[in-house]
Amino acid sequence: AQKITQTQPGMFVQEKEAVTLDCTYDTSDQSYGLFWYKQPSSGEMIFLIYQGSYDEQNATEGRYSLNFQKARKSANLVISASQLGDSAMYFCAMTYTGTASKLTFGTGTRLQVTL
Amino acid sequence: DTEVTQTPKHLVMGMTNKKSLKCEQHMGHRAMYWYKQKAKKPPELMFVYSYEKLSINESVPSRFSPECPNSSLLNLHLHALQPEDSALYLCASSRQTSGREEETQYFGPGTRLLVL
Repeated sequence: AQKITQTQPGMFVQEKEAVTLDCTYDTSDQSYGLFWYKQPSSGEMIFLIYQGSYDEQNATEGRYSLNFQKARKSANLVISASQLGDSAMYFCAMTYTGTASKLTFGTGTRLQVTL
Repeated sequence: DTEVTQTPKHLVMGMTNKKSLKCEQHMGHRAMYWYKQKAKKPPELMFVYSYEKLSINESVPSRFSPECPNSSLLNLHLHALQPEDSALYLCASSRQTSGREEETQYFGPGTRLLVL
């Protein structure tokens, strides 16, 4: 069975600082995908970034980058230059070969950006 | 454009009511999903439609009845719900359920349902 673990229930970061949100996963599959989503208090799940298990380069999307360490089974999200609008719940999720339609989510990390 | 729309935004219903949630996307996606999310929890998959056919039902009670009238629309019909069904219901879509892991799911804003 696949499992995603996010060990940080809550994080604080000062505006303009960088922050790393941790995500580890457990799978026996060789082919899988890792995702990060942001969920503001409004409820919408916003796709941030994707990393494929065979991708050798870490994914980047603007201020978001994914620190992918395959041997350690970790896929940490790095947000650079935090903004007040980054305050939200962040979910790490994965899909795996054959069931690309099933997203397995972690429990989430609530990020609060302060002045 | 990665927009998925959902109506209504909020819904209050009694246990004997029948109501429907609606989801729409115009991205040409052929897979659509319903998720249920309780407060402070991650979303849980309920149903998956692929090419307008139900492909996954995660053992959801029959008081929830999905419908996919066409490739752009997804409905969730609600009947005789219980108070514990109160949650945020999220719809999502992706290009297709091809088995490729990089099928990003794009979510709508959700419907907040309260069952009294």
